Amino acid sequence: EDQVTQSPEALRLQEGESSSLNCSYTVSGLRGLFWYRQDPGKGPEFLFTLYSAGEEKEKERLKATLTKKESFLHITAPKPEDSATYLCAVQPMGGNNRLAFGKGNQVVVIP
Amino acid sequence: GAGVSQSPSNKVTEKGKDVELRCDPISGHTALYWYRQSLGQGLEFLIYFQGNSAPDKSGLPSDRFSAERTGGSVSTLTIQRTQQEDSAVYLCASRSPGVLVGYTFGSGTRLTVV
Repeated sequence: EDQVTQSPEALRLQEGESSSLNCSYTVSGLRGLFWYRQDPGKGPEFLFTLYSAGEEKEKERLKATLTKKESFLHITAPKPEDSATYLCAVQPMGGNNRLAFGKGNQVVVIP
Repeated sequence: GAGVSQSPSNKVTEKGKDVELRCDPISGHTALYWYRQSLGQGLEFLIYFQGNSAPDKSGLPSDRFSAERTGGSVSTLTIQRTQQEDSAVYLCASRSPGVLVGYTFGSGTRLTVV
């Protein structure tokens, strides 16, 4: 069974204090790994797709990396508007392209 | 439309009543998914529609849950005889043709069964 574990569950950061979120996964063949951002009362918003170990993608203050067992989402010099829940999901090979999600990392950035 | 539209945004229902949740996907998106997000839990897959193919219903938690997609566009998720454990946010997502494109999610329907 495909599993995704995210840590830490919750994180409070001072504005400007860089940190990393972890997503550990087990999957029977990885087609892709996804990061989403979710704000309260909203649906998840797509951030990145990573396909193979060693790949990195960046968007503003966010940088996602991928190894064969885990992915990291690095937040550099965060701002209060980066406060959100970050969701990690894996898409296994084959099947119907459904995603298996972790429970999320809840990030609060304090001004 | 510009995004995935879900209605209603909030629904409060009495235990035992039936409810219908609606999803209007992005035009041209052939794949449509329903997920459920319970408090403190990850998103749970419910059902998947792809074009005219038979839907993948393997995630539906019980036979009280059903879904249909008419004309390859709008989808309705129906929950019969609702129970308190059905309380959750029900999210719909659509995906354009192409294997590794990220889903686009709607804002969800928050269902509360009292």
